[in-house]
Amino acid sequence: SQQGEEDPQALSIQEGENATMNCSYKTSINNLQWYRQNSGRGLVHLILIRSNEREKHSGRLRVTLDTSKKSSSLLITASRAADTASYFCATDDRETSGSRLTFGEGTQLTVNP
Amino acid sequence: DAGITQSPRHKVTETGTPVTLRCHQTENHRYMYWYRQDPGHGLRLIHYSYGVKDTDKGEVSDGYSVSRSKTEDFLLTLESATSSQTSVYFCAASGQIRYGYTFGSGTRLTVV
Repeated sequence: SQQGEEDPQALSIQEGENATMNCSYKTSINNLQWYRQNSGRGLVHLILIRSNEREKHSGRLRVTLDTSKKSSSLLITASRAADTASYFCATDDRETSGSRLTFGEGTQLTVNP
Repeated sequence: DAGITQSPRHKVTETGTPVTLRCHQTENHRYMYWYRQDPGHGLRLIHYSYGVKDTDKGEVSDGYSVSRSKTEDFLLTLESATSSQTSVYFCAASGQIRYGYTFGSGTRLTVV
């Protein structure tokens, strides 16, 4: 079964709006990572947040992590049509520390021009 | 997707035939992975490798085998393809998990 579960499964917004995606997980983690997948392509690493961090920024991306609730959110500000993609969270679990990531099912984001 | 090459990009094969998918990396990463991606399931780990000749099973390894004879190459073999193995297969590589994965562009496999 998947470790991470993204919410919502699909999100449609207008260009310029902010997009927020959520991820929940079940085990203790070392870090949590977010990836983007454009249609027909492989996943691309966006940002990583360690278990002892609460918030991290990278350009228009803001990631938060709440280890007490086992949840993370990815905020994309001032969205663009080019942000249309699927977004996945992935966890580096302490149980399998350093060997592999467990991915969620993803959120499909559509940004309408 | 620079540095990770998957071949073939598309393949149609018949039920019961063996199939080998190839992954080649130019980044000298220690770890390599094979995932399959299906609607409603996200990415599921099939097998992974943590060094030459060192491999381990993932959560959906039945019907699949892997080999890694060189750092740069990781092969996934479907021993006798079934329709349930119709999927998109992704290879990934990583030097250290904390820095994330680099993915290939995927192989779309159809078993008829």
